[in-house]
Amino acid sequence: DQQVKQNSPSLSVQEGRISILNCDYTNSMFDYFLWYKKYPAEGPTFLISISSIKDKNEDGRFTVFLNKSAKHLSLHIVPSQPGDSAVYFCAASGGAQKLVFGQGTRLTINP
Amino acid sequence: KAGVTQTPRYLIKTRGQQVTLSCSPISGHRSVSWYQQTPGQGLQFLFEYFSETQRNKGNFPGRFSGRQFSNSRSEMNVSTLELGDSALYLCASSRGQGFGGETQYFGPGTRLLVL
Repeated sequence: DQQVKQNSPSLSVQEGRISILNCDYTNSMFDYFLWYKKYPAEGPTFLISISSIKDKNEDGRFTVFLNKSAKHLSLHIVPSQPGDSAVYFCAASGGAQKLVFGQGTRLTINP
Repeated sequence: KAGVTQTPRYLIKTRGQQVTLSCSPISGHRSVSWYQQTPGQGLQFLFEYFSETQRNKGNFPGRFSGRQFSNSRSEMNVSTLELGDSALYLCASSRGQGFGGETQYFGPGTRLLVL
């Protein structure tokens, strides 16, 4: 049972444009959501998080949007830069629930 | 502040052997979680330790075990290795208050290859 889903395994975006990565979840008990970025052969790096009491959180070029009614969150990166090319994982937790990760989306920024 | 460290970074073993991986969390963090990453499977949760006690466990066979020491350092052990155990094993630490809303910080991982 995949509680956190990233339906796009890959995404290709032109440098300077906006990258939008999507994530859906099924467990209504989740109340904290995170995005991680991962380069090959490295551990995931924390990017940005949002709690369920908010619908938007912004940090520099990164903004996470949460739509609780649709059980959907998205990560916007603008403007996209070549160094943003990586695999992005969304993750969710709630109460004593362990962190549950999506399958990841490979983002490629083209010059 | 030093990040999460994992040793060794790379390991090659043969089927049937056992392996022990080590993780040192960020100073002050009391919770350590372990994940397995294989191609196409994302990050699969193995277990979480807090104050030397296993607090959460994922759906992995009993060949996978772990422990945590009083200084919060953690080890995981895999016995009777199988080819399918080849993966990147990631350790993550957090303060460990025990409720949602905590950010976990990951180490670089240990790449295990089973031949």
